[in-house]
Amino acid sequence: EAGVAQSPRYKIIEKRQSVAFWCNPISGHATLYWYQQILGQGPKLLIQFQNNGVVDDSQLPKDRFSAERLKGVDSTLKIQPAKLEDSAVYLCASSLLGGTYEQYFGPGTRLTVT
Amino acid sequence: AQTVTQSQPEMSVQEAETVTLSCTYDTSESDYYLFWYKQPPSRQMILVIRQEAYKQQNATENRFSVNFQKAAKSFSLKISDSQLGDAAMYFCAYRSGDTGNQFYFGTGTSLTVIP
Repeated sequence: EAGVAQSPRYKIIEKRQSVAFWCNPISGHATLYWYQQILGQGPKLLIQFQNNGVVDDSQLPKDRFSAERLKGVDSTLKIQPAKLEDSAVYLCASSLLGGTYEQYFGPGTRLTVT
Repeated sequence: AQTVTQSQPEMSVQEAETVTLSCTYDTSESDYYLFWYKQPPSRQMILVIRQEAYKQQNATENRFSVNFQKAAKSFSLKISDSQLGDAAMYFCAYRSGDTGNQFYFGTGTSLTVIP
């Protein structure tokens, strides 16, 4: 079974530039999560999708971050314009529906904003 | 929102010894699930062990076991016969069984294994 795929793995941009991350979840996983993980901290949920719909985006900085999940499969997360404090690892995870199921994480995208 | 607290930012253990990582959580829900995840340096986060709140029996996976105290809202992870490969960040996570299946993570414990 293929895991959660993310690209790119690394990205360096200057502040005020834009950047997009892509995630392909495990086939059949209805729920998809985007997390921001700052070095030395736990993952912070940015947005959670269930199929095409958004379940929780309460911590997404909507003035600069946007995300979509087309056809309930792949997802993209965009930052425009980027700030220095956006430097972090962006993790994508997917899960089957139901509380007993764990999340499967992708390798993450390490973003550096200079 | 539920909160998950890991009060030990760093822990160390001698190789082959046993170490226990602490986790407490706050919830008013009756239906929930608890997880421990491991994140090795620069590597992918993977599941170590899970516990369903409705089960009284503590979960065990090889050298990893939990001490689940539901009334105390405590969920500690015990690693027996520690190995060098156990060195990683460990995150405790709570998943709601009722409200949208959100996950809540603790701040993590960095485990060092001393040869």
